[in-house]
Amino acid sequence: GAVVSQHPSWVICKSGTSVKIECRSLDFQATTMFWYRQFPKQSLMLMATSNEGSKATYEQGVEKDKFLINHASLTLSTLTVTSAHPEDSSFYICSGGAGENTGELFFGEGSRLTVL
Amino acid sequence: AQSVTQPDIHITVSEGASLELRCNYSYGATPYLFWYVQSPGQGLQLLLKYFSGDTLVQGIKGFEAEFKRSQSSFNLRKPSVHWSDAAEYFCAVAANSGNTPLVFGKGTRLSVIA
Repeated sequence: GAVVSQHPSWVICKSGTSVKIECRSLDFQATTMFWYRQFPKQSLMLMATSNEGSKATYEQGVEKDKFLINHASLTLSTLTVTSAHPEDSSFYICSGGAGENTGELFFGEGSRLTVL
Repeated sequence: AQSVTQPDIHITVSEGASLELRCNYSYGATPYLFWYVQSPGQGLQLLLKYFSGDTLVQGIKGFEAEFKRSQSSFNLRKPSVHWSDAAEYFCAVAANSGNTPLVFGKGTRLSVIA
C-alpha cells in the first residue's frame, strides 16, 4: 500500500507554545489529506480536511485559528497547534487517499502531543 | 451521513478460541467498509476492506469479515486468536470511492488470556 509518514512521532511542549506536525505522502500525490484526533481510549475523530492549494475545511467544533493546516504541495500537509494547552494533548493522525478508487485511506504513524 | 456502531467496548477471549467482533453501519448506498487494528501508542494497520464483489473478504493475520447488506453488518472474525492479537480494533466506513474521510466506530478492545 501507499506510505504516509508523520513527524514527529511524539512531542512534549509547554503550555502556550506552538507545535507543528508534518504529514508526507511518500509514494503518491495527495490533493486531499485528512487530519484525525484521538483522545486516550477513544476513537478517531475527523478534525479537518486539508486541500492542496486552498483552505482547509474544519469539522464542527474544531477551532480553525487554533489548528492551522497548510497543504502547500501534493506530498506535504502540516498541522500547527497554536498556543497549545493541556487539553490539546492527544494523538494526531493524518491520512491520504492514493486514488485507488477503493475508498481506502493510508494513515501516518501518528503524532502524540503532550502539553505540560 | 454515514455512521458506524461497534456494540462491544471490550472483549476477552482465550488464546486459541475463535473471535467475532461486531460492526454495524448506517449508510443509504453501498458502503466501503474497513477494519483497522491499533496497538497501544501505534498508528492504524489495515486488516481488510470491502467495496465490491465477494461479500466474504480475507485479510491479513488470518482475519476475515463478511458483508451482510440485509443486516447492515461487517463483522470481523478469526478462527483462532493469538496473544499478539490483543489490540484495539476499529471498523470504518467511507461513503464512496473518492477521496472522502473515513468514519470510525468507537472501537473494540480485545484482550487475550492464556
